[in-house]
Amino acid sequence: NAGVTQTPKFRILKIGQSMTLQCTQDMNHNYMYWYRQDPGMGLKLIYYSVGAGITDKGEVPNGYNVSRSTTEDFPLRLELAAPSQTSVYFCASSYLDRGPNQPQHFGDGTRLSIL
Amino acid sequence: ELKVEQNPLFLSMQEGKNYTIYCNYSTTSDRLYWYRQDPGKSLESLFVLLSNGAVKQEGRLMASLDTKARLSTLHITAAVHDLSATYFCAVATSGTYKYIFGTGTRLKVLA
Repeated sequence: NAGVTQTPKFRILKIGQSMTLQCTQDMNHNYMYWYRQDPGMGLKLIYYSVGAGITDKGEVPNGYNVSRSTTEDFPLRLELAAPSQTSVYFCASSYLDRGPNQPQHFGDGTRLSIL
Repeated sequence: ELKVEQNPLFLSMQEGKNYTIYCNYSTTSDRLYWYRQDPGKSLESLFVLLSNGAVKQEGRLMASLDTKARLSTLHITAAVHDLSATYFCAVATSGTYKYIFGTGTRLKVLA
């Protein structure tokens, strides 16, 4: 199993550009999450999804959009990139229908710089 | 609004010593998680704590949960260099799946 796969691993954007960060999981997990981690800081929840077609805002949703059309995929869209969005983005998934004792599985992250 | 605080933020300790990392949270929660992150890497699950008084141990790490005090501890016994990493706790308010992470504790174990 590949687990949680994020693409790209690195990206440099210019201010005002847009892009989509891809996240795919092959574990049939129903819950998926997007976090950002600024240098030397903890993780901040951007958006999460409890299943296909259902998404909800996290702590820092402004400037981002998500969609969840399938169980496997949870892309994160950045519109009008700003320097404040320079960060490492982590996607995670979990299968909470089996009970709360299931931790989140994280992807390797996407390192995004906006110049 | 759920807030999660960890202390200390930085911890430099000698091999062989014991120390405890603290995770405080502000609202009722029915589950708490501990993760480890190596520099430049992703997060790895360490422990899942689901009930008051829960204690989990793996090697030199032991985690506990006091839901009444809204406090979890991660105790390190006889630290070794390989434990150098950043440790995060994560909490979700009861009945939700919106996880909030603590600020992290950056641990450096000196030989």
